[in-house]
Amino acid sequence: AQKVTQAQTEISVVEKEDVTLDCVYETRDTTYYLFWYKQPPSGELVFLIRRNSFDEQNEISGRYSWNFQKSTSSFNFTITASQVVDSAVYFCAPFSSNTGKLIFGQGTTLQVKP
Amino acid sequence: EAGVAQSPRYKIIEKRQSVAFWCNPISGHATLYWYQQILGQGPKLLIQFQNNGVVDDSQLPKDRFSAERLKGVDSTLKIQPAKLEDSAVYLCASSSTSGTALAYEQYFGPGTRLTVT
Repeated sequence: AQKVTQAQTEISVVEKEDVTLDCVYETRDTTYYLFWYKQPPSGELVFLIRRNSFDEQNEISGRYSWNFQKSTSSFNFTITASQVVDSAVYFCAPFSSNTGKLIFGQGTTLQVKP
Repeated sequence: EAGVAQSPRYKIIEKRQSVAFWCNPISGHATLYWYQQILGQGPKLLIQFQNNGVVDDSQLPKDRFSAERLKGVDSTLKIQPAKLEDSAVYLCASSSTSGTALAYEQYFGPGTRLTVT
């Protein structure tokens, strides 16, 4: 069975600070995918990134970057120079191509204060 | 390209009443999902359709919840009778089945916020 742990329930930062959201996952699949979604106050889940288990390269997209460490089963997400619009709940979600299921954790609520 | 559409956005009902939610996925997406998201938790999958067939409904409380996707396009989720604990946001998502990694990306609608009093 797959499981994801986002140990940080809530994080509060001041605008322009960098912030890292932690994600630790468990899976028995040899092939799997990892996703990050953002859920702003409007409620819609917004896809941010997909990473497959064979690709451990870090990825940067604008102010967002992701650090995938298969050895520690972690897929952390960093926002550089945070902005108020980054305030949202962020979900890390492993996906099993065997079961076709996304497994969501509790999420991390990020509050960016002006 | 239009996203996943859901209606209504909000619904308030009394316990023991019935309610229905509607979802129209992204055009061409064969897979459709219904999730329940209770306040403060992550979404939980209720049911997954592939075209008009059910792939997984193991988490659907079948004594009160039902869902259908008759023509393999839009879908309806019904609750009858509703309980207080059904208060949640009901999210619909869709994905393609192209056979590539892109097929695993699920696109979510805005959700329906249900309050049962």
